[in-house]
Amino acid sequence: NAGVMQNPRHLVRRRGQEARLRCSPMKGHSHVYWYRQLPEEGLKFMVYLQKENIIDESGMPKERFSAEFPKEGPSILRIQQVVRGDSAAYFCASSPNIVSETQYFGPGTRLLVL
Amino acid sequence: DAKTTQPNSMESNEEEPVHLPCNHSTISGTDYIHWYRQLPSQGPEYVIHGLTSNVNNRMASLAIAEDRKSSTLILHRATLRDAAVYYCILKLSDTGNQFYFGTGTSLTVIP
Repeated sequence: NAGVMQNPRHLVRRRGQEARLRCSPMKGHSHVYWYRQLPEEGLKFMVYLQKENIIDESGMPKERFSAEFPKEGPSILRIQQVVRGDSAAYFCASSPNIVSETQYFGPGTRLLVL
Repeated sequence: DAKTTQPNSMESNEEEPVHLPCNHSTISGTDYIHWYRQLPSQGPEYVIHGLTSNVNNRMASLAIAEDRKSSTLILHRATLRDAAVYYCILKLSDTGNQFYFGTGTSLTVIP
């Protein structure tokens, strides 16, 4: 049973480009969460999605960031017109349902903006 | 707004027990206490969680104070592979399903 998968593991973008981060949850999991970790800091919640629905996006920056979790395929975190401050590790986690107490994290995507 | 307070760093000798403390004085009655750990360049890994009673699993034990305002993660015999950042997290019952991470405790295990 494969764990949470994220790709790419490393992504380099120049300022102004777009970054697309993908997350495939564990099999049977329909809840996905995205977190961002800046250097030397803890993880910060960004967004919580179920299939085709955004449940909570209170941690998402108001501009340039969007997330989706389509009926088929992985969840996508999209960052438009990246800036150097977007450089961070982005982690995805999944859980089987809303009452599950445990979230399972992927290995993360490390984004570097030049 | 991390809701938890932990020491920045701790050291332990290999094969000795380690007690990692956490304060969460604003906890409410239905908030769960979770512990995750993060090894360098990896995603967080689940360690243990509890609500009111002490909990044990193959990785660790969780001791929860009677007033629930603090808890302690206990590693019974530290190994070099336990060197990681340990996060004490509250899963708030009234704000959905997300976790609120603090800055964690960086554990160094000395051989």
